[in-house]
Amino acid sequence: KAGVTQTPRYLIKTRGQQVTLSCSPISGHRSVSWYQQTPGQGLQFLFEYFSETQRNKGNFPGRFSGRQFSNSRSEMNVSTLELGDSALYLCASSRGQTDPNTEAFFGQGTRLTVV
Amino acid sequence: GENVEQHPSTLSVQEGDSAVIKCTYSDSASNYFPWYKQELGKGPQLIIDIRSNVGEKKDQRIAVTLNKTAKHFSLHITETQPEDSAVYFCAASGSGSARQLTFGSGTQLTVLP
Repeated sequence: KAGVTQTPRYLIKTRGQQVTLSCSPISGHRSVSWYQQTPGQGLQFLFEYFSETQRNKGNFPGRFSGRQFSNSRSEMNVSTLELGDSALYLCASSRGQTDPNTEAFFGQGTRLTVV
Repeated sequence: GENVEQHPSTLSVQEGDSAVIKCTYSDSASNYFPWYKQELGKGPQLIIDIRSNVGEKKDQRIAVTLNKTAKHFSLHITETQPEDSAVYFCAASGSGSARQLTFGSGTQLTVLP
């Protein structure tokens, strides 16, 4: 069974640009969550999608957005990039059924560097 | 919102010894507590989890204990091996769902051969 796939693995962007990251969840998983990981702030929750709807949102500015497609694949977008957006962006998938206590499995992440 | 504190931030043990990492949480409604291991250049890997209706769970050399009254939970690794060296994160799900996890700050575990 394939795991969570994130593309691309590495990205270098310039301040002011925008970027789109992609996540393909484990087959059969309908929930996709996104996290930002930095040395200073650790792992922080960005948002979660289930059945193409955003269900939860963390404390990030509106420049961070996402969406989910009918096949459960998800994308996140960061507009007007700032140097502080440099981070490892992680995607986690889970079954997302009525029991909220289902395991979350992470992808390898996308390393974004803003210069 | 939920706040998770994790200690220690670094831990060095001799191969074969035990390692213990502790976490406390603030939201009494939290009911799911996973532990993740992250190796360099990789995403976090789920190694064990515990739910609030259970006090202890064990999987081979790894065990987790939960004290709901004190709002703390711990990871125990016995007979440590060099391949256990990694960063370990605890997490808690708030009153929302396990799909929105609040993480501790991580523990760098080094197992010395």
